[in-house]
Amino acid sequence: RKEVEQDPGPFNVPEGATVAFNCTYSNSASQSFFWYRQDCRKEPKLLMSVYSSGNEDGRFTAQLNRASQYISLLIRDSKLSDSATYLCVVNPAGNTPLVFGKGTRLSVIA
Amino acid sequence: NAGVTQTPKFQVLKTGQSMTLQCAQDMNHNSMYWYRQDPGMGLRLIYYSASEGTTDKGEVPNGYNVSRLNKREFSLRLESAAPSQTSVYFCASSESGPGRYTFGSGTRLTVV
Repeated sequence: RKEVEQDPGPFNVPEGATVAFNCTYSNSASQSFFWYRQDCRKEPKLLMSVYSSGNEDGRFTAQLNRASQYISLLIRDSKLSDSATYLCVVNPAGNTPLVFGKGTRLSVIA
Repeated sequence: NAGVTQTPKFQVLKTGQSMTLQCAQDMNHNSMYWYRQDPGMGLRLIYYSASEGTTDKGEVPNGYNVSRLNKREFSLRLESAAPSQTSVYFCASSESGPGRYTFGSGTRLTVV
């Protein structure tokens, strides 16, 4: 089983739609979790951290379910500019390097 | 602007040639990383340096060497390039501890 698994998509949604991505991780001892965004032919950039209590940043909501070992990202009122690949990222432990999922591609269509 | 600078941005090598990818950060970060990204494979860690003076292997270190020259610079060397090393290479840095990586803009390497 891969450490971090995501549905690669693509998810093609109309502007204004709500879309959700899920991600599962295999290491139950993993300590911290993140979503990164990567635009086409660009570098990944941190979108948001994911906390057990859930956290929201504008139209974006991230949640963590430790019991089921999955992480979710919800995007409300999708914009054309949200089109990108969304990477689920896990820190296995302490100061070890982050492990990146392969990403889920989102295309928001006018 | 503060950040991570990678050079070169593009490179074409012939099989067997060597080259060094350069990476420098000006954020006074302790940790630095080299990843490669291939279609369908995601980002895979090649080597990392948790602090100046230390380096460790990642998931795919074979065919590569690294040097943490000082706190700012972390270079990746291909001694004898192979077509399987055709990829996009990203350097990143972070403070000690997880999460907030700052990536460079990448080096697109083609080995023919």
